[in-house]
Amino acid sequence: EVHLVESGGGLVQPGESLILSCAASGFTFSDHYMDWVRQAPGKGLEWVGRVRKKANSYTTEYAASVKGRFIISRDDSKSSLYLQMNSLKTEDTAVYYCARTEVVGPHYYFDYWGQGTLLTVSS
Amino acid sequence: DIQMTQSPSSLSASVGDRVTITCRASQGINNYLTWFQQKPGKAPKSLIYGASSLQSGVPSKFSGSGSGTDFTLTISSLQPEDVATYYCQQYGSYPLTFGGGTKVEIK
Repeated sequence: EVHLVESGGGLVQPGESLILSCAASGFTFSDHYMDWVRQAPGKGLEWVGRVRKKANSYTTEYAASVKGRFIISRDDSKSSLYLQMNSLKTEDTAVYYCARTEVVGPHYYFDYWGQGTLLTVSS
Repeated sequence: DIQMTQSPSSLSASVGDRVTITCRASQGINNYLTWFQQKPGKAPKSLIYGASSLQSGVPSKFSGSGSGTDFTLTISSLQPEDVATYYCQQYGSYPLTFGGGTKVEIK
């Protein structure tokens, strides 16, 4: 059974940094692209970014709102996904989900999500 | 960026009703669209990908249709366990974008 478990959330001050982790199990982690998606309190879903797999050189994509501040990485030996967040802003306050990307033909879609970890950025 | 517009933003229907939610993309996305269900306090759950393909394990009362810019999600017979917010999302181009959500309640 696929499991994704995020950790590392908490309360930080504006301008600070934090790393979120996502531990994966129940599937071959290295075979999948992985993404981060966030949801501000009471709001909708916002895609944060993606890291591709080794065969695609671990290349990344980011939303404009986080590009240059956030870095997504992965450690396939540990089946883990990471989100390094720098220069945090109050508007980064959200539940952060990791999501697995499945590939069916030309379709690259999220099929499993973790339960999320809450980041609060406040002074 | 491709904007995804869902309507209605909320709806209230009776048990057994057929419910339809629409999603419109600001430009053509072929059929690169998914639908998610999110219950309060829970992570999203994938329902449909490729606009109309049912995700494994999802009941057949959910169906999707559309291509290009206009898409629909239909619940054939609304049940209490279907109370949730439903989101569409396009994966045709970066950045990946979501609709604003449709909150479904029981009347």
